[in-house]
Amino acid sequence: QVQLVESGGGVVQPGGSLRLACVASGFTFSTYGMHWVRQAPGKGLEWVTFVRFDGNDKYYADSVKGRFIVSRDNSKNTLYLQMNSLRAEDTAIYYCARRDAYLYYFDFWGQGTLVTVSS
Amino acid sequence: SFELTQPPSVSVSPGQTARITCSGDALSNQYTYWYQQKPGRAPVLVIYQDIERPSGIPERFSGSTSGTTVTLTITGVQAEDEADYYCQSADSRATLWVFGGGTKLTVL
Repeated sequence: QVQLVESGGGVVQPGGSLRLACVASGFTFSTYGMHWVRQAPGKGLEWVTFVRFDGNDKYYADSVKGRFIVSRDNSKNTLYLQMNSLRAEDTAIYYCARRDAYLYYFDFWGQGTLVTVSS
Repeated sequence: SFELTQPPSVSVSPGQTARITCSGDALSNQYTYWYQQKPGRAPVLVIYQDIERPSGIPERFSGSTSGTTVTLTITGVQAEDEADYYCQSADSRATLWVFGGGTKLTVL
């Protein structure tokens, strides 16, 4: 069955960096686009970034553009999110999610990893 | 900009019908998807392509659309339906994805 397992969350000071990872299993990772979606405590869902199946095209929300970098290693079935210049407002649970093969929605989600930006 | 607007909250009694709207200019030509999220859990898709219901989702969940507004309807609400509901869409090239602000459904 499809599984997405995030890791790498933790507490980081403002201005710091953190790298998240999402290990995929149960499907052919290299044929699916992948996303990161976040949810601040008590708040709604916010799309963060999308990378196409081959890693060649990447898209970002304005709120993270220039600070976050998405990448993937299809040989390791792993999605990454490099987060730089972190701010308090980046505090959230970060989910990786798989894009449906044909339609524009998220068909599988991980359980998320919590990132806390605080001094 | 690409924005989706939902009411913050909807309250209904068990057995009644709950309607949650999602509005946005882009919705007249882009599909909308609905997710249910319970506390501490990842979202679950309940409606896709405006009106379609995934397998395993109860028949009481339905979707409809009119112009720039889409509606998630839950007919015969049950206590277990109490959750946050989010609409979601994307631009035509899948380069920009957006969620509505979410609606908290309370079953009285």
